Amino acid sequence: QKEVEQNSGPLSVPEGAIASLNCTYSDRGSQSFFWYRQYSGKSPELIMFIYSNGDKEDGRFTAQLNKASQYVSLLIRDSQPSDSATYLCAVNRDTGFQKLVFGTGTRLLVSP
Amino acid sequence: GAVVSQHPSRVICKSGTSVKIECRSLDFQATTMFWYRQFPKQSLMLMATSNEGSKATYEQGVEKDKFLINHASLTLSTLTVTSAHPEDSSFYICSATPYNEQFFGPGTRLTVL
Repeated sequence: QKEVEQNSGPLSVPEGAIASLNCTYSDRGSQSFFWYRQYSGKSPELIMFIYSNGDKEDGRFTAQLNKASQYVSLLIRDSQPSDSATYLCAVNRDTGFQKLVFGTGTRLLVSP
Repeated sequence: GAVVSQHPSRVICKSGTSVKIECRSLDFQATTMFWYRQFPKQSLMLMATSNEGSKATYEQGVEKDKFLINHASLTLSTLTVTSAHPEDSSFYICSATPYNEQFFGPGTRLTVL
């Protein structure tokens, strides 16, 4: 079992729709959870991080964490074609940004 | 946000040669930097943690004699791929954490012929 699992996609949504990206992790000791966006051939850029169970909202993005189910998700409201990218989920045993373990990413395609 | 640069952005070399990749923190000091490798359609895999003034900490399965890391100053870490082979062709990315966020460099695409 991989430490961090994501559906590789592609996940296709029309412009303006809500995109829902999911991630599961195997290490119950994980403390911090991150979503990165990576455009093809580029390095990842941080979208959000979440430490506590529940929802965390930032603009059009909402991260959801359920530690009991070992599940973290990212919702993108009012999806735009510019959101088309690969979204990487990452986890860490500590409440920080050290030694992140990444999933393989979910490719999102937003059609105009 | 903090800026991390990498040089070169792309390198093509012959099998058996060594390649050095530089990672610089441009507007902050980084006592710790990280080196990742990403193969096509795969996840970022942490290779090693680079510590300023001390030896790097390598992840399990990463050959420390093949991937030499030097963190000689608070703003520069280098990764040298020694005797590179085609299977070392990959996207190498460094990162640093000046504060509560990990910033990634733009990456170096290595192609070994």
